[in-house]
Amino acid sequence: GNSVTQMEGPVTLSEEAFLTINCTYTATGYPSLFWYVQYPGEGLQLLLKATKADDKGSNKGFEATYRKETTSFHLEKGSVQVSDSAVYFCALKEGAQKLVFGQGTRLTINP
Amino acid sequence: GAVVSQHPSRVICKSGTSVKIECRSLDFQATTMFWYRQFPKKSLMLMATSNEGSKATYEQGVEKDKFLINHASLTLSTLTVTSAHPEDSSFYICSAPGVGKDTQYFGPGTRLTVL
Repeated sequence: GNSVTQMEGPVTLSEEAFLTINCTYTATGYPSLFWYVQYPGEGLQLLLKATKADDKGSNKGFEATYRKETTSFHLEKGSVQVSDSAVYFCALKEGAQKLVFGQGTRLTINP
Repeated sequence: GAVVSQHPSRVICKSGTSVKIECRSLDFQATTMFWYRQFPKKSLMLMATSNEGSKATYEQGVEKDKFLINHASLTLSTLTVTSAHPEDSSFYICSAPGVGKDTQYFGPGTRLTVL
């Protein structure tokens, strides 16, 4: 079946550092891919998405490119802020509405 | 924006008792809601799809008699963990699809601890 694998966390960085969180997937066909973010005490929120190969999703300075050759959707940000501290989930869409998630990566940014 | 709430946020219960978790869409209607379970350091696993006015659809391996789902109205779905055991301790999250394509709104989750 379809699956998503994220890099193990937790990840701790200093403010203004470059961020990469790796995500690879196994799927039949070319599903839509997502990054969700969960801030403390809140529900998951969609951060960005890409619906086809070579698409780049972007939001709030974060980017991820749908790479079918490497079946990857790595999340990047050039300069992180303390407010980016959260748990990040990579996911793919299976069927009409079902989401398959990675295990989540906890990110902590120190001032 | 649209909000999904869950109640309670944390619950501790004794082994053998039943626990009900509520999921509400606060400013929109949801004919479908999803229930997920998250194990420590593992991904969110979809347990079931809750359908207003009809039976829930359970994922393979999920015991429907243990995890009872009732979609009572267009804004409320409940998950009841029956005869809870310590292995049922987990973080339970619900979500509801929004109007836009690929839009889903998630609740903040419920931490269940079974002693």
